[in-house]
Amino acid sequence: DAKTTQPNSMESNEEEPVHLPCNHSTISGTDYIHWYRQLPSQGPEYVIHGLTSNVNNRMASLAIAEDRKSSTLILHRATLRDAAVYYCILGYSGNTPLVFGKGTRLSVIA
Amino acid sequence: GAVVSQHPSRVICKSGTSVKIECRSLDFQATTMFWYRQFPKQSLMLMATSNEGSKATYEQGVEKDKFLINHASLTLSTLTVTSAHPEDSSFYICSARRRGRVDTQYFGPGTRLTVL
Repeated sequence: DAKTTQPNSMESNEEEPVHLPCNHSTISGTDYIHWYRQLPSQGPEYVIHGLTSNVNNRMASLAIAEDRKSSTLILHRATLRDAAVYYCILGYSGNTPLVFGKGTRLSVIA
Repeated sequence: GAVVSQHPSRVICKSGTSVKIECRSLDFQATTMFWYRQFPKQSLMLMATSNEGSKATYEQGVEKDKFLINHASLTLSTLTVTSAHPEDSSFYICSARRRGRVDTQYFGPGTRLTVL
Protein backbone atom coordinates (compact mmCIF):
# COMPACT_ATOMS: atom_id res chain seq x y z
CA ASP A 1 0.00 0.00 0.00
CA ALA A 2 1.20 3.50 -0.75
CA LYS A 3 2.04 5.21 2.52
CA THR A 4 1.49 8.66 3.91
CA THR A 5 3.36 10.61 6.57
CA GLN A 6 1.57 13.04 8.84
CA PRO A 7 2.59 14.88 12.01
CA ASN A 8 1.33 13.12 15.12
CA SER A 9 -0.36 16.19 16.48
CA MET A 10 -1.10 19.83 15.77
CA GLU A 11 -2.69 22.64 17.66
CA SER A 12 -4.71 25.58 16.45
CA ASN A 13 -6.52 28.53 17.92
CA GLU A 14 -10.22 28.75 17.36
CA GLU A 15 -11.32 30.72 14.29
CA GLU A 16 -7.87 30.59 12.75
CA PRO A 17 -6.98 28.65 9.59
CA VAL A 18 -5.35 25.25 9.95
CA HIS A 19 -3.04 23.63 7.45
CA LEU A 20 -2.64 19.89 7.93
CA PRO A 21 0.24 18.48 5.87
CA CYS A 22 0.61 15.04 4.36
CA ASN A 23 3.56 13.56 2.51
CA HIS A 24 3.03 10.74 0.05
CA SER A 25 6.21 10.50 -1.97
CA THR A 26 5.41 7.03 -3.36
CA ILE A 27 2.01 7.97 -4.72
CA SER A 28 1.11 6.37 -8.04
CA GLY A 29 -0.72 7.95 -10.92
CA THR A 30 -4.04 6.31 -10.09
CA ASP A 31 -4.04 7.06 -6.35
CA TYR A 32 -6.67 9.42 -5.05
CA ILE A 33 -5.79 11.47 -1.97
CA HIS A 34 -8.49 11.09 0.67
CA TRP A 35 -8.95 12.94 3.92
CA TYR A 36 -11.15 11.65 6.70
CA ARG A 37 -11.51 12.73 10.28
CA GLN A 38 -12.59 10.87 13.36
CA LEU A 39 -14.08 12.34 16.48
CA PRO A 40 -13.84 10.33 19.72
CA SER A 41 -16.00 7.19 19.74
CA GLN A 42 -17.34 7.85 16.25
CA GLY A 43 -16.74 6.38 12.82
CA PRO A 44 -14.54 8.29 10.38
CA GLU A 45 -16.17 11.15 8.55
CA TYR A 46 -15.37 11.95 4.93
CA VAL A 47 -13.77 15.36 4.53
CA ILE A 48 -12.51 15.69 0.99
CA HIS A 49 -10.65 13.89 -1.76
CA GLY A 50 -8.81 14.73 -4.95
CA LEU A 51 -6.62 13.37 -7.67
CA THR A 52 -4.57 16.15 -9.23
CA SER A 53 -6.31 19.50 -8.95
CA ASN A 54 -7.02 21.45 -5.79
CA VAL A 55 -10.49 20.81 -4.41
CA ASN A 56 -12.88 22.83 -2.30
CA ASN A 57 -16.02 21.86 -0.47
CA ARG A 58 -18.05 23.24 2.39
CA MET A 59 -15.84 21.56 4.97
CA ALA A 60 -12.34 22.19 3.72
CA SER A 61 -9.92 22.73 0.86
CA LEU A 62 -7.37 20.29 -0.44
CA ALA A 63 -4.20 21.65 -1.96
CA ILE A 64 -2.23 19.09 -3.96
CA ALA A 65 1.39 19.69 -4.89
CA GLU A 66 2.18 19.74 -8.57
CA ASP A 67 4.26 16.56 -8.31
CA ARG A 68 1.50 15.02 -6.10
CA LYS A 69 4.05 13.95 -3.50
CA SER A 70 2.41 16.02 -0.83
CA SER A 71 -0.92 17.61 -0.03
CA THR A 72 -2.39 19.95 2.55
CA LEU A 73 -5.82 19.92 4.09
CA ILE A 74 -6.96 23.44 4.87
CA LEU A 75 -9.64 24.22 7.42
CA HIS A 76 -10.40 27.86 6.84
CA ARG A 77 -11.66 28.68 10.33
CA ALA A 78 -11.11 26.08 13.00
CA THR A 79 -13.87 25.54 15.52
CA LEU A 80 -13.89 23.43 18.66
CA ARG A 81 -15.91 20.84 16.74
CA ASP A 82 -13.00 20.38 14.35
CA ALA A 83 -10.89 18.79 17.09
CA ALA A 84 -10.38 15.26 15.79
CA VAL A 85 -7.85 12.84 14.31
CA TYR A 86 -7.35 13.64 10.63
CA TYR A 87 -6.29 10.86 8.31
CA CYS A 88 -4.66 11.33 4.93
CA ILE A 89 -5.07 8.15 2.89
CA LEU A 90 -4.16 7.12 -0.62
CA GLY A 91 -6.69 5.00 -2.42
CA TYR A 92 -7.00 3.40 -5.79
CA SER A 93 -9.91 4.01 -8.08
CA GLY A 94 -11.11 0.47 -7.62
CA ASN A 95 -12.32 -1.97 -5.04
CA THR A 96 -9.34 -1.76 -2.73
CA PRO A 97 -10.20 -0.50 0.74
CA LEU A 98 -8.83 2.56 2.46
CA VAL A 99 -5.98 1.71 4.81
CA PHE A 100 -5.59 4.04 7.76
CA GLY A 101 -2.32 5.29 9.20
CA LYS A 102 -1.94 7.03 12.53
CA GLY A 103 -3.25 10.40 11.41
CA THR A 104 -2.81 13.83 12.97
CA ARG A 105 -4.56 14.67 16.20
CA LEU A 106 -5.78 18.26 15.91
CA SER A 107 -6.46 20.18 19.08
CA VAL A 108 -8.38 23.45 18.88
CA ILE A 109 -7.92 25.98 21.63
CA ALA A 110 -10.67 28.39 22.50
CA GLY B 1 -25.06 12.48 1.56
CA ALA B 2 -24.58 8.73 1.80
CA VAL B 3 -25.57 7.32 5.20
CA VAL B 4 -24.34 4.12 6.77
CA SER B 5 -25.88 2.85 9.99
CA GLN B 6 -24.75 0.21 12.45
CA HIS B 7 -26.71 -1.72 15.01
CA PRO B 8 -26.24 -2.04 17.88
CA SER B 9 -24.19 1.00 18.82
CA ARG B 10 -22.85 -0.79 21.87
CA VAL B 11 -23.11 -4.30 23.22
CA ILE B 12 -21.89 -6.04 26.33
CA CYS B 13 -21.79 -9.81 26.35
CA LYS B 14 -20.40 -12.70 28.34
CA SER B 15 -17.34 -14.58 27.23
CA GLY B 16 -18.22 -17.47 24.92
CA THR B 17 -21.32 -15.93 23.40
CA SER B 18 -21.73 -14.79 19.82
CA VAL B 19 -22.57 -11.25 18.81
CA LYS B 20 -23.97 -10.03 15.51
CA ILE B 21 -23.39 -6.49 14.25
CA GLU B 22 -25.42 -5.12 11.34
CA CYS B 23 -24.23 -2.55 8.84
CA ARG B 24 -26.73 -0.91 6.49
CA SER B 25 -26.39 1.59 3.69
CA LEU B 26 -29.55 3.63 4.11
CA ASP B 27 -29.82 5.62 0.92
CA PHE B 28 -27.57 3.90 -1.58
CA GLN B 29 -26.59 0.51 -2.87
CA ALA B 30 -23.26 -0.73 -1.63
CA THR B 31 -21.55 -3.25 -3.83
CA THR B 32 -18.63 -3.49 -1.44
CA MET B 33 -18.53 -3.22 2.33
CA PHE B 34 -15.53 -3.22 4.62
CA TRP B 35 -15.14 -4.09 8.28
CA TYR B 36 -12.58 -2.43 10.53
CA ARG B 37 -11.81 -2.62 14.20
CA GLN B 38 -10.13 -0.08 16.40
CA PHE B 39 -8.49 -0.63 19.77
CA PRO B 40 -8.13 2.27 22.22
CA LYS B 41 -5.71 4.97 21.10
CA GLN B 42 -4.97 3.11 17.87
CA SER B 43 -5.92 3.60 14.26
CA LEU B 44 -8.50 1.63 12.32
CA MET B 45 -7.39 -1.83 11.23
CA LEU B 46 -9.01 -3.41 8.22
CA MET B 47 -10.47 -6.84 8.96
CA ALA B 48 -12.19 -7.86 5.77
CA THR B 49 -13.73 -6.83 2.49
CA SER B 50 -17.07 -8.19 1.40
CA ASN B 51 -18.78 -8.00 -1.94
CA GLU B 52 -22.49 -8.60 -2.28
CA GLY B 53 -23.24 -12.22 -2.98
CA SER B 54 -19.72 -13.54 -2.55
CA LYS B 55 -17.44 -14.63 0.24
CA ALA B 56 -15.54 -12.06 2.22
CA THR B 57 -11.82 -11.57 1.83
CA TYR B 58 -10.05 -11.44 5.18
CA GLU B 59 -6.87 -9.60 6.04
CA GLN B 60 -3.90 -11.56 7.23
CA GLY B 61 -4.22 -12.52 10.88
CA VAL B 62 -8.02 -12.21 10.99
CA GLU B 63 -9.71 -15.54 11.69
CA LYS B 64 -12.51 -16.06 9.22
CA ASP B 65 -14.16 -18.71 11.40
CA LYS B 66 -14.28 -16.32 14.32
CA PHE B 67 -15.44 -13.24 12.45
CA LEU B 68 -18.22 -14.36 10.14
CA ILE B 69 -19.20 -11.83 7.51
CA ASN B 70 -22.33 -12.01 5.41
CA HIS B 71 -23.21 -9.55 2.66
CA ALA B 72 -26.55 -10.86 1.52
CA SER B 73 -27.91 -7.74 -0.12
CA LEU B 74 -26.74 -4.45 -1.58
CA THR B 75 -27.69 -2.63 1.58
CA LEU B 76 -26.82 -5.01 4.41
CA SER B 77 -23.69 -6.67 5.73
CA THR B 78 -23.36 -8.45 9.04
CA LEU B 79 -20.35 -9.28 11.20
CA THR B 80 -20.77 -12.07 13.73
CA VAL B 81 -18.13 -12.42 16.41
CA THR B 82 -18.36 -16.06 17.42
CA SER B 83 -17.41 -17.30 20.87
CA ALA B 84 -16.33 -13.83 21.89
CA HIS B 85 -13.55 -13.38 24.42
CA PRO B 86 -12.37 -10.28 26.31
CA GLU B 87 -9.59 -9.70 23.78
CA ASP B 88 -12.28 -9.23 21.11
CA SER B 89 -13.50 -6.14 22.95
CA SER B 90 -13.05 -3.32 20.49
CA PHE B 91 -14.74 -0.66 18.39
CA TYR B 92 -16.03 -2.24 15.18
CA ILE B 93 -16.68 0.03 12.23
CA CYS B 94 -18.18 -0.81 8.87
CA SER B 95 -17.78 1.09 5.66
CA ALA B 96 -19.51 0.96 2.30
CA ARG B 97 -18.63 1.88 -1.20
CA ARG B 98 -21.41 3.30 -3.30
CA ARG B 99 -22.37 1.50 -6.48
CA GLY B 100 -20.87 3.41 -9.37
CA ARG B 101 -18.65 5.51 -7.09
CA VAL B 102 -15.43 3.69 -6.40
CA ASP B 103 -13.46 6.62 -5.08
CA THR B 104 -15.12 7.18 -1.70
CA GLN B 105 -15.98 5.07 1.32
CA TYR B 106 -18.74 5.99 3.75
CA PHE B 107 -18.39 4.89 7.34
CA GLY B 108 -20.86 3.80 9.95
CA PRO B 109 -20.87 5.23 13.47
CA GLY B 110 -19.25 2.14 14.95
CA THR B 111 -20.23 -0.53 17.47
CA ARG B 112 -18.54 -0.75 20.85
CA LEU B 113 -18.21 -4.39 21.89
CA THR B 114 -17.31 -5.26 25.45
CA VAL B 115 -16.82 -8.90 26.33
CA LEU B 116 -16.85 -9.69 30.03
